[in-house]
Amino acid sequence: DQQVKQNSPSLSVQEGRISILNCDYTNSMFDYFLWYKKYPAEGPTFLISISSIKDKNEDGRFTVFLNKSAKHLSLHIVPSQPGDSAVYFCAASARGLNEKLTFGTGTRLTIIP
Amino acid sequence: DVKVTQSSRYLVKRTGEKVFLECVQDMDHENMFWYRQDPGLGLRLIYFSYDVKMKEKGDIPEGYSVSREKKERFSLILESASTNQTSMYLCASSFEVQQYFGPGTRLTVT
Repeated sequence: DQQVKQNSPSLSVQEGRISILNCDYTNSMFDYFLWYKKYPAEGPTFLISISSIKDKNEDGRFTVFLNKSAKHLSLHIVPSQPGDSAVYFCAASARGLNEKLTFGTGTRLTIIP
Repeated sequence: DVKVTQSSRYLVKRTGEKVFLECVQDMDHENMFWYRQDPGLGLRLIYFSYDVKMKEKGDIPEGYSVSREKKERFSLILESASTNQTSMYLCASSFEVQQYFGPGTRLTVT
């Protein structure tokens, strides 16, 4: 039972344009969401997070949007750069229960120069 | 900066061998985690630990065990390696929700 879903395994975007990565979840207990970026042969690195009390969080070129009623979050990267080419994982946590993260299956983003 | 290190980047083992994967973190984090990453399946939690000598099963614990004798060290053990355990293994530590990952160990079982 996949509680966190990333339905697009891959995405290609032109350099300079906006990249939008999507994530859906089913567990209404999730109240904290994170995005991680992973390059080949490296561990994931934290990118940005959002609490369920917010609907938007920005950090430079990265913005995460949360729609609780739709159980959907998205990561916007603008403008996209070649160094953004990586696999992106969304993750969710129910902080009242424990510190476990449930990860999605990942989206491979390719930025075309 | 948080540093999580894993004992090997690449490992090749034979079927039936006992395999030890070591993970060390330097930030005095209470929580440590072992995942495996496979194409199309994302990161799946094998085991985690909230304290020394404490462990809990994750989503796919079968065929694995763990040991946490010291706060900074969390070991993953494959008692008898099988070819379906060929994967990328990732260790992480955390204080609160955000987890910090090591570089991963690419394990191949032949």
